[in-house]
Amino acid sequence: DAGVIQSPRHEVTEMGQEVTLRCKPISGHNSLFWYRQTMMRGLELLIYFNNNVPIDDSGMPEDRFSAKMPNASFSTLKIQPSEPRDSAVYFCASRAGYSNQPQHFGDGTRLSIL
Amino acid sequence: DQQVKQNSPSLSVQEGRISILNCDYTNSMFDYFLWYKKYPAEGPTFLISISSIKDKNEDGRFTVFLNKSAKHLSLHIVPSQPGDSAVYFCAARENSGGYQKVTFGTGTKLQVIP
Repeated sequence: DAGVIQSPRHEVTEMGQEVTLRCKPISGHNSLFWYRQTMMRGLELLIYFNNNVPIDDSGMPEDRFSAKMPNASFSTLKIQPSEPRDSAVYFCASRAGYSNQPQHFGDGTRLSIL
Repeated sequence: DQQVKQNSPSLSVQEGRISILNCDYTNSMFDYFLWYKKYPAEGPTFLISISSIKDKNEDGRFTVFLNKSAKHLSLHIVPSQPGDSAVYFCAARENSGGYQKVTFGTGTKLQVIP
């Protein structure tokens, strides 16, 4: 039973470069979430998809961030251009519908922008 | 504006004793609360939850208490074990605009000392 799969696990790049984080949700889950974890702010919700449609992107910090979900089994979070303050751990989570089922998280991508 | 607050960034407890992790919230629209546990280099995993219509939910060594009037919930772990050492996130859910939005706290790092 595969969980949420994120890639890469680690990414180190120079500021100004484009960064793409990838996520494969659990099969059958129709809600997908992108979070950013920092020491100061904990887990922040960036964007939330339901049935591949973005529902709430109010947490996306600025226009440099964008997310897509072209189909039910794949999502990307892109940062262009990247800045050192974007360094954080980014988590993807998925959930089955509107039930009281909890979100299932991937193991995260640790992003370092130099 | 942090709607879910975990004011203790860390907690140390002796093995076998009780661990009490606290969480406060400000949004009275939250109707469901969850606790997640996170080990280093892994994503958070669901631990226990409670609906706002209850004041207590118990699952093995883990009990969550909810005090709606005080907007406070707590997670009790009895007896604490070294394997419980992890970061614990409190999360709260609200129905917003036809969908469910979950807000996480900043986490409390629990260390159980053998």
